[in-house]
Amino acid sequence: SYELTQPPSVSVSPGQTARITCSGDELPKQYAYWYQQKPGQAPVVVIYKDNERPSGIPERFSGSTSGTTVTLTISGVQAEDEADYYCQSAPTSGTSLMFGGGTRLAVL
Amino acid sequence: QVQLQESGPGLVRPSETLSLTCSVSGGSISGHYWSWIRQPPGKGLEWIGYVYHSGTTYYNPSLKSRVTILLDTSKNQFSLKLNSLTAADTAVYFCARIPLFLEWYFDYWGQGKLVTVSS
Repeated sequence: SYELTQPPSVSVSPGQTARITCSGDELPKQYAYWYQQKPGQAPVVVIYKDNERPSGIPERFSGSTSGTTVTLTISGVQAEDEADYYCQSAPTSGTSLMFGGGTRLAVL
Repeated sequence: QVQLQESGPGLVRPSETLSLTCSVSGGSISGHYWSWIRQPPGKGLEWIGYVYHSGTTYYNPSLKSRVTILLDTSKNQFSLKLNSLTAADTAVYFCARIPLFLEWYFDYWGQGKLVTVSS
């Protein structure tokens, strides 16, 4: 069955660049979306349609694609960016929506 | 500003049916897709299904046989029913909005409702 695969964890120091990947065979044909979830809160979309940033999301968040892998990049990581990050995708038909397993970003 | 709020019982017995309602304020329920997502404690997100204002629904194949999502436009609400519950259905249940056809993501979320399945 189709899956989106993310690394369980990524660690960076404040001010460095964090890259979180998401791999899936269908990603070249589908948009990817990224969510940030802090403990006890609902997820918040930080990137939509591969690389678009919603209003209110800091410019340090960006998205990119390369083949079957999409990447969320956080430049100049801040302590407040420590959270779980989930990728999500769906075919254009919208008949099935799927999340990756999530990546915990630790800011050391 | 669109706001969503889940409501319903927080404790349900095994083999029974979970019933949750999501109330939408700050915008019309028409013209958008409305979805349920769940998250077991300490685990990742799982899409359950969605309903369009026309009544069209799509469900996660792994839950399809047990799920019903309905829309009540008169109350600006939509609901989730999940039957034949087991402990594995214990989770925080979120309601969320999908903004547009072809933009299959969730732009507004409720705060989540913890539902525990236990006798």
